[in-house]
Order: sequence, then C-alpha cells, then structure tokens
Amino acid sequence: QLVLTQSPSASASLGASVKLTCTLSSGHSSYAIAWHQQQPEKGPRYLMKLNSDGSHSKGDGIPDRFSGSSSGAERYLTISSLQSEDEADYYCQTWGTGRVVFGGGTKLTVL
Amino acid sequence: EVQLVESGGGLVKPGGSLRLSCAASGFTFSSYSMNWVRQAPGKGLEWVSSISSSSSYIYYADSVKGRFTISRDNAKNSLYLQMNSLRAEDTAVYYCARSSGLVGAFDIWGQGTMVTVSS
Repeated sequence: QLVLTQSPSASASLGASVKLTCTLSSGHSSYAIAWHQQQPEKGPRYLMKLNSDGSHSKGDGIPDRFSGSSSGAERYLTISSLQSEDEADYYCQTWGTGRVVFGGGTKLTVL
Repeated sequence: EVQLVESGGGLVKPGGSLRLSCAASGFTFSSYSMNWVRQAPGKGLEWVSSISSSSSYIYYADSVKGRFTISRDNAKNSLYLQMNSLRAEDTAVYYCARSSGLVGAFDIWGQGTMVTVSS
C-alpha cells in the first residue's frame, strides 16, 4: 500500500535551516513526490517535484532557500535562512496508477 | 496569470447534493489533467478525484466513489465536481488543482471553496 509518512511537527530558529522528511512505504522507494506549503488560512502552494535520484524542479517563484534531496525511501525538503513566513504546514504528495496520496503534513514553527 | 478559481460551496443538509466548479485561466486547460482535493477543518489534505485532459481516465478515492462525479468542459475551461448523498464527513474546503501527465504533481492550486454538510 502506497503511504507517505511525515513527522507531525518541527521547529527551528529564525535564520537557521530545517530539514523535513517524507518517507515512502516499503516497495515504493523509486517514487517521485511533490512538496507543498500551506500557510495559515491559505490554500496549498506547490514547491517542487522531487525524484528518487534527488533531482527536483521547483514551482515558479519558489526561492532558492527551498531545496530537495532523496535517500532511499526518504524524501527531504530543506529550508535555509528561515523566515517568519516559512511557518506553515508542509505536505508531501505522491501518485500511482489511479491514485494520489498525501502525507499527514508537518507543522513547521519558526522560533 | 495562471489561476484556478473554485465556486459553488455552501451549506447543505445530509443526503443533499452540491455541484462545485473550478474556472481555469492563463494556461491551455485542455492539455492538463485536473484534480479535486479536500481538507476537513483542522485536518490534512485528502485526494478526492482526478480526470485526464480528454476525460478518458477518471479516478476516485474510495471515500467518495459512487457518490461524487468529476467532469470537465474544455471549451469552457472548467472543471466540475457533482457531489450527491452528502455526509457530515464530507464537510471540508475543496480545492481544485492542476497536474501534468495522467496523474502527477499538483503544480497549481485554487484558493478553495467551503462545503458544510449539516442539518
């Protein structure tokens, strides 16, 4: 079964870096994912598509502070030089034949 | 500007029906698959349904199969979600989203429309 697992919460200080993790279920380590950001009271915003080899393509206007990487079944979103507006929920998404799956989301707090 | 704008949300009684619309602009609508995603209050994102660019392929989440129908009108650059036999657990903000390929990364999102199912 295709499942994405995310930690419910993360925190980091203003100006620091944070690395969020999304883990693919067993047998699905070759799947690409997408990362999305949802700021409070707003709709989701596409950040990037991240492939199993770590290559990624970002959405229009996404700052260079956002980057992605992969290792095995793990997909990472790294945000550097954290700003207050980065405080948001972050969701990973993947897809297979006839189905789409979202992770449970990680709530990022910027201290 | 690439944009998706949802409409049609509102308050409906359990067992009732509602039709959501999503108006697309700023891109060639007929070239992309389209999707509906919902978010219950305080919860995460849940995929609802997807439709390919020519409507040849349609997929639903098990939670809505048999009750919801996705459709599109490429001439009107519009996506629809017909929701029947609504339940309290269908209460959510409903977003439309664009994806490349048959099913893929959702790269453009709308702002959402709220559906409340309550007596």
